[in-house]
Amino acid sequence: AQSVTQLGSHVSVSEGALVLLRCNYSSSVPPYLFWYVQYPNQGLQLLLKYTSAATLVKGINGFEAEFKKSETSFHLTKPSAHMSDAAEYFCAVRRNTPLVFGKGTRLSVIA
Amino acid sequence: SQTIHQWPATLVQPVGSPLSLECTVEGTSNPNLYWYRQAAGRGLQLLFYSVGIGQISSEVPQNLSASRPQDRQFILSSKKLLLSDSGFYLCAWNAGASGKTYNEQFFGPGTRLTVL
Repeated sequence: AQSVTQLGSHVSVSEGALVLLRCNYSSSVPPYLFWYVQYPNQGLQLLLKYTSAATLVKGINGFEAEFKKSETSFHLTKPSAHMSDAAEYFCAVRRNTPLVFGKGTRLSVIA
Repeated sequence: SQTIHQWPATLVQPVGSPLSLECTVEGTSNPNLYWYRQAAGRGLQLLFYSVGIGQISSEVPQNLSASRPQDRQFILSSKKLLLSDSGFYLCAWNAGASGKTYNEQFFGPGTRLTVL
């Protein structure tokens, strides 16, 4: 069965600093991986997805993620945090099943 | 373009009362439909999904049920709410019957349910 683990339920960064949100997956077959963002009291919005093409995936709002099979990881990064990036971020995996989500990481951005 | 609607946006209900949450999708046909619940600090929990009219898969045994009376309509119900049913309920869809397993899911705006 597929699963994802997000390391760190809460991450705090300074405005302009690097954002790194960690996600490790478990899958017996090549997975499809996703990052979603959720702002307070809103639904989830897709940031980016990995579908076995390029291992470095660029998404919206300046985010990107790199698929590393050897590390079973799909970490989300952004070079410079903005105040507007403060939100909850979910990693998810799918392969012939509904999406399975991690527990989420809340990102705080300090001015 | 496709859009997904949920209502109501917020709901406050007493324990033991019934529940009906509705989700509709526009601009697509034969979607897969999903209900998730998001409780505080517990991430997203898949409750039900449906690949077609009248076809419901339940992921978690509980006092909730789901129905799909029309192709693009998905309803979440309960006969008697419990305190533990409080949470943020999200409906989602993705393209069905396309063979493309990497289709992402698109989420509605959610319904905040508080059971008192």
